[in-house]
Amino acid sequence: QQQVKQSPQSLIVQKGGISIINCAYENTAFDYFPWYQQFPGKGPALLIAIRPDVSEKKEGRFTISFNKSAKQFSLHIMDSQPGDSATYFCAVGGGGTSYGKLTFGQGTILTVHP
Amino acid sequence: NAGVTQTPKFQVLKTGQSMTLQCAQDMNHEYMSWYRQDPGMGLRLIHYSVGAGITDQGEVPNGYNVSRSTTEDFPLRLLSAAPSQTSVYFCASRDTGGNQPQHFGDGTRLSIL
Repeated sequence: QQQVKQSPQSLIVQKGGISIINCAYENTAFDYFPWYQQFPGKGPALLIAIRPDVSEKKEGRFTISFNKSAKQFSLHIMDSQPGDSATYFCAVGGGGTSYGKLTFGQGTILTVHP
Repeated sequence: NAGVTQTPKFQVLKTGQSMTLQCAQDMNHEYMSWYRQDPGMGLRLIHYSVGAGITDQGEVPNGYNVSRSTTEDFPLRLLSAAPSQTSVYFCASRDTGGNQPQHFGDGTRLSIL
């Protein structure tokens, strides 16, 4: 079963624009929602994460918006830069699934044109 | 502090061969995991471990074995390689306590002919 659905699969944005990637999940028991960033030839690295007790978290140009009732969360990249070009994964975890188990979305390939 | 180190970086196998993917971490993390990454499917959990001597299956464990004899090492064994196991494999570790971030290695790209 697909517990996390991520969209779009790919995204092309001009430099300075806003990139938006969305994720939807099914299990309301999840209580940890991270976003990972992956550059070619490298492993994913944690970018930003949110807990369900807040609706938004901002770190620099990166913001997570969280809608608990809709079971959706999204990543917004403001003032997108060519260096942001990477693959982004949402994930869900917690909710009793301890031991570091995360369920990942399908990934979004972001290309920022200069 | 090297973090999570995976070897080899690339490997080509023939169907039916066996091999071990190595993973080592120097952060003294108790939790370690193996994922495979396939286009359009994200990262899927193969096996994980919560400490030396303790392992459990993830989402896609068939065809893979793991063991955890030390805190530092978590090797992944392919028993009889199949073309469906062609993938990029990532090892990750994390600290205990709450939702700590996963630290990933740079992966092993494996092709099965």
